[in-house]
Amino acid sequence: KAGVTQTPRYLIKTRGQQVTLSCSPISGHRSVSWYQQTPGQGLQFLFEYFSETQRNKGNFPGRFSGRQFSNSRSEMNVSTLELGDSALYLCASSLGGSFYNTEAFFGQGTRLTVV
Amino acid sequence: GESVGLHLPTLSVQEGDNSIINCAYSNSASDYFIWYKQESGKGPQFIIDIRSNMDKRQGQRVTVLLNKTVKHLSLQIAATQPGDSAVYFCAENKDDMRFGAGTRLTVKP
Repeated sequence: KAGVTQTPRYLIKTRGQQVTLSCSPISGHRSVSWYQQTPGQGLQFLFEYFSETQRNKGNFPGRFSGRQFSNSRSEMNVSTLELGDSALYLCASSLGGSFYNTEAFFGQGTRLTVV
Repeated sequence: GESVGLHLPTLSVQEGDNSIINCAYSNSASDYFIWYKQESGKGPQFIIDIRSNMDKRQGQRVTVLLNKTVKHLSLQIAATQPGDSAVYFCAENKDDMRFGAGTRLTVKP
């Protein structure tokens, strides 16, 4: 079956702009988690959605938001982009989410560059 | 606050040797642990997991050991191959999955 699909793969934005990233989970998976990966900070948890509800949230400012649709596809949005938002954004899908302690499968990520 | 961390940022081993990558966690309530491998340009790939009711779990060429007393997790790779070169992350899962900083494994021919 198809894996986790993230679009776009690469993105260049200007400071102050906003951006929307998309993640299509594995069919049947109801949980989508988002992570920011940078060389200095590693993998940082952004938020998790399960059945269209945000279940957990990491320590990121309100400029970072997300949502999940009824088909489990998820989007994350970053408003008023800053240079420090340049990173690889990864999403992971799992069957039941962290509550059920099930394996998470990652997409290849979206590489966002803010200039 | 609670955190997951790795002891070493880099590890270099000779091809054919065994590799051991270590991880310390601080949330004693975590009940599920996972090791991921990330190659350049790719997302993290699941290697092996272990639940808190176990001390050891073996996969193909990999073994994960969990020591709950000292809150320590390790990944052992037997007969390390050049294709094992990657960054390895441990993750702990309680309410959400938190990752360690990662260890870069380099395999020398």
